Amino acid sequence: DAGVTQSPTHLIKTRGQQVTLRCSPKSGHDTVSWYQQALGQGPQFIFQYYEEEERQRGNFPDRFSGHQFPNYSSELNVNALLLGDSALYLCASSLRTGTFHSGANVLTFGAGSRLTVL
Amino acid sequence: GQQVMQIPQYQHVQEGEDFTTYCNSSTTLSNIQWYKQRPGGHPVFLIQLVKSGEVKKQKRLTFQFGEAKKNSSLHITATQTTDVGTYFCAMTGANSKLTFGKGITLSVRP
Repeated sequence: DAGVTQSPTHLIKTRGQQVTLRCSPKSGHDTVSWYQQALGQGPQFIFQYYEEEERQRGNFPDRFSGHQFPNYSSELNVNALLLGDSALYLCASSLRTGTFHSGANVLTFGAGSRLTVL
Repeated sequence: GQQVMQIPQYQHVQEGEDFTTYCNSSTTLSNIQWYKQRPGGHPVFLIQLVKSGEVKKQKRLTFQFGEAKKNSSLHITATQTTDVGTYFCAMTGANSKLTFGKGITLSVRP
């Protein structure tokens, strides 16, 4: 049973460029959330996708956009990269429906994509 | 918006000592989750607490949810070097959005 897979694992971009990060959720999960984790900080919520729609969004500018595909996989796109976008980008999948006791809304994280913007 | 606070951000203990950390909210929480992130790794789910006053144990780790559901604690008995990492608490908000605290990074001196 594969967990959450993310690609690429590391990448280096320059200011102004665009980047696309990819995520395949854990088998059986239907919801994908994206988090940004700067060094020494907790994960910051970017947005969440369910049924191919953005359901929740954190305090991130429109330069951050995403997509969820029919197979539940997801992409995170960041346009016009800034130096401050350098961070570990974490994808987390979960099961939206069900009760707390059944494990709904418990996040399974991928290993992350480390983005460096020069 | 709603948030959970974890203070301090760093703690150093001698191997074998006990360790306790807290997670606090100004509002009543529906549930609280705890995650552990090893150095260079990604967050891994540890536990979820739902009921007021709930206590759950995982080997040397004891998790508790406050009676008022506004705070939670993590206690590690007789710390080991394998306990090193950052421990995050996280709260579930509207539409299942999970908000993380800043975490506490535990280092253990052998």
